[in-house]
Amino acid sequence: AQSVTQLDSHVSVSEGTPVLLRCNYSSSYSPSLFWYVQHPNKGLQLLLKYTSAATLVKGINGFEAEFKKSETSFHLTKPSAHMSDAAEYFCVVSAPPNSGGYQKVTFGTGTKLQVIP
Amino acid sequence: EAGVVQSPRYKIIEKKQPVAFWCNPISGHNTLYWYLQNLGQGPELLIRYENEEAVDDSQLPKDRFSAERLKGVDSTLKIQPAELGDSAVYLCASSLGQASTDTQYFGPGTRLTVL
Repeated sequence: AQSVTQLDSHVSVSEGTPVLLRCNYSSSYSPSLFWYVQHPNKGLQLLLKYTSAATLVKGINGFEAEFKKSETSFHLTKPSAHMSDAAEYFCVVSAPPNSGGYQKVTFGTGTKLQVIP
Repeated sequence: EAGVVQSPRYKIIEKKQPVAFWCNPISGHNTLYWYLQNLGQGPELLIRYENEEAVDDSQLPKDRFSAERLKGVDSTLKIQPAELGDSAVYLCASSLGQASTDTQYFGPGTRLTVL
């Protein structure tokens, strides 16, 4: 069984301040983890992914995330928020094929990021 | 390279009517997914295809929903008859394969409104 918990449904930051979007996961197998961003009326776009290589993953638009196995976390950060970062962000866990069945992908419920000018 | 294409982008129908959504994945992608996204929620998988085969349809409400992926390329998702609760965004995604590390690429979605 696997699950994803995004700890905040809404996060509000001022432009130019750091962003932290929190994600905790549960998986019986070594997971792959993803962050996607969804702007209003747009499709989901991949920000970054962790696939058991380096634990600190850098993505597009200055975002990065750190995989912490001991804490079962994969929090998304950015040093300085920009107005264009306002969107909804989804954390995703994916189980490998040797989980006794087909690949299982689970999305979190999303965190809406508001950036205040 | 073209992304995942979906049509229509918007659809408004009356309840009990049928509706169909179409998806063309990225060329060369063997795996195709259909998701349902309700307002304020994350996407929920309806069905996943590996080429022509539906390998995970456990969350598809088979009494009214059906899907096909003939020739292992584009796919159609159908609802018949539609109910008020089916109003949502239907997302299509594709990936190279079924490895857990494979990135899913999403289309813009079809927003369905059932009146």
